[in-house]
Amino acid sequence: QKEVEQDPGPLSVPEGAIVSLNCTYSNSAFQYFMWYRQYSRKGPELLMYTYSSGNKEDGRFTAQVDKSSKYISLFIRDSQPSDSATYLCAMSKENTGNQFYFGTGTSLTVIP
Amino acid sequence: DTAVSQTPKYLVTQMGNDKSIKCEQNLGHDTMYWYKQDSKKFLKIMFSYNNKELIINETVPNRFSPKSPDKAHLNLHINSLELGDSAVYFCASSPRTHEQYFGPGTRLTVT
Repeated sequence: QKEVEQDPGPLSVPEGAIVSLNCTYSNSAFQYFMWYRQYSRKGPELLMYTYSSGNKEDGRFTAQVDKSSKYISLFIRDSQPSDSATYLCAMSKENTGNQFYFGTGTSLTVIP
Repeated sequence: DTAVSQTPKYLVTQMGNDKSIKCEQNLGHDTMYWYKQDSKKFLKIMFSYNNKELIINETVPNRFSPKSPDKAHLNLHINSLELGDSAVYFCASSPRTHEQYFGPGTRLTVT
């Protein structure tokens, strides 16, 4: 079993929709949770970063962590065509020399 | 003022050749990484260096050898290239706060 599971999609939504992207994980030692956005033929770009449980909001993006369920989510409100990309979740533990565990990415297309 | 840069962006070469990819970061980060991303977009860690010292060395063929001449540079040398080495290779750097910043990638095609 992979440590981090993510539905690869593809996910296709109309412009203006609310998008929900999710990852599950198996190791309760994960404390840091990240979301990256990767446009086609570009490097991943850090979008959101949270520590432990709770919510974090940044503009149209909200990251949610539920450690009891080992489940993290990224919500995108009022989705735009420019949000079309692959979204990768990533996690890390305390004191592990900055080792990151990535999901396989979810491909999102927002249709104008 | 690129934060993490890689050269070259594209590399097309034949099986059996030896090639190098270079990475530089100007963010002052302590830790640098090499990742391989396959056609299904899965990012697989290969190596990590902290202050020029190797700290992560995943199961990677020993044809791959990283070198860190200083904290701001991490190069990847690949010997005897094989078809299966075709992928996009990303360099990344990280401060201590569990965030990573990626370079633009090097698209390697082995023919």
